[in-house]
Amino acid sequence: NAGVTQTPKFQVLKTGQSMTLQCAQDMNHEYMSWYRQDPGMGLRLIHYSVGAGITDQGEVPNGYNVSRSTTEDFPLRLLSAAPSQTSVYFCASSYSGDRGQYFGPGTRLLVL
Amino acid sequence: AQSVTQPDIHITVSEGASLELRCNYSYGATPYLFWYVQSPGQGLQLLLKYFSGDTLVQGIKGFEAEFKRSQSSFNLRKPSVHWSDAAEYFCAVGAGSTLGRLYFGRGTQLTVWP
Repeated sequence: NAGVTQTPKFQVLKTGQSMTLQCAQDMNHEYMSWYRQDPGMGLRLIHYSVGAGITDQGEVPNGYNVSRSTTEDFPLRLLSAAPSQTSVYFCASSYSGDRGQYFGPGTRLLVL
Repeated sequence: AQSVTQPDIHITVSEGASLELRCNYSYGATPYLFWYVQSPGQGLQLLLKYFSGDTLVQGIKGFEAEFKRSQSSFNLRKPSVHWSDAAEYFCAVGAGSTLGRLYFGRGTQLTVWP
């Protein structure tokens, strides 16, 4: 099992550019989520999904879109990047969102 | 609303000393509680979890945590710290439903002196 994988590991964007952060899991988990981690802020939930075709907003959803067409994949889209989106992004999956989650290695994003 | 407080932003201990990291939560029902560890540049690894039953739970790497409902706390402990334990530690609480998600504290950075 690869667990939870994320690509890319690092990315530099210019303000206004768009990009998609990829997340995949091979554990057949129904629940997947995206967090951002900023110094001194812990992890904050951006969006989550309880199964294919079902997504919902977390604490900080503005500026991000998600979709869940398959159980395995949960991409995060930045439509128009802003410097405030400079952060480390983690994807996580689990059988149930509140039963403990398995985290990917993260994507470091810098928006200039 | 659920929330998690980790009162200590940074803790420094000597190698071999005991460790206790504090975590307080706010939640109306019986919570699901977790401790995660993050080494520099890495993702989060689950140390231990509490769902129900025995309030003292054992985790990996020699860590344990005790759930105290009366104090709304879930403190992490280790009897003897190793230099490799230096990392950031996060406490998290689950919302207790199939549509739930985890709420994280802001983390405690642990430094270990040789």
